[in-house]
Amino acid sequence: DVKVTQSSRYLVKRTGEKVFLECVQDMDHENMFWYRQDPGLGLRLIYFSYDVKMKEKGDIPEGYSVSREKKERFSLILESASTNQTSMYLCASSLIRTDGHNEQFFGPGTRLTVL
Amino acid sequence: AQTVTQSQPEMSVQEAETVTLSCTYDTSESDYYLFWYKQPPSRQMILVIRQEAYKQQNATENRFSVNFQKAAKSFSLKISDSQLGDAAMYFCAYRARFGMRFGAGTRLTVKP
Repeated sequence: DVKVTQSSRYLVKRTGEKVFLECVQDMDHENMFWYRQDPGLGLRLIYFSYDVKMKEKGDIPEGYSVSREKKERFSLILESASTNQTSMYLCASSLIRTDGHNEQFFGPGTRLTVL
Repeated sequence: AQTVTQSQPEMSVQEAETVTLSCTYDTSESDYYLFWYKQPPSRQMILVIRQEAYKQQNATENRFSVNFQKAAKSFSLKISDSQLGDAAMYFCAYRARFGMRFGAGTRLTVKP
């Protein structure tokens, strides 16, 4: 089974702190994604990566950056956390397939609270 | 840009009954893929069912089936013989070039 793990289930940080959210997948997937989930808004894509050291902005990249130094690990970085970044953060991974059956596998999520 | 709309924030169903969750989407593409994901209270999202737009036949997975109306850009999920374990948030999603576009979700409650 594909396993996507995230470093923390719950995290509390203060405004202005630098925050690192880590995600690791064990199935050699090329694609990795970071979403944030907010009530009434569903999931919104922050960043994705389709290869090591490659990254692309999603729909809401402002205030975030990412790092992918190894294929299995994708990090989301909040350079200076703000209260409006309080949210649930979900990591996902998928294979690159030409038939479109690139199901995304999700981690358990990290509930981040910024005070 | 593609958008996905789920007009039912909450739905409830009696155990063993059938419920249909609605989803509409907007796209200018002709070939695409649609998904329904389930997020139980434990928060791990899992795939329920997927549909390729070029296939006319509606996808089915055990008690879960879809009603895909391409011209109307509608993609509803039908859950038959509802079980207590079906209680969750359900998200409709459209596969964009990279990543997914998700709807806002429908919270399904199953009453015993």
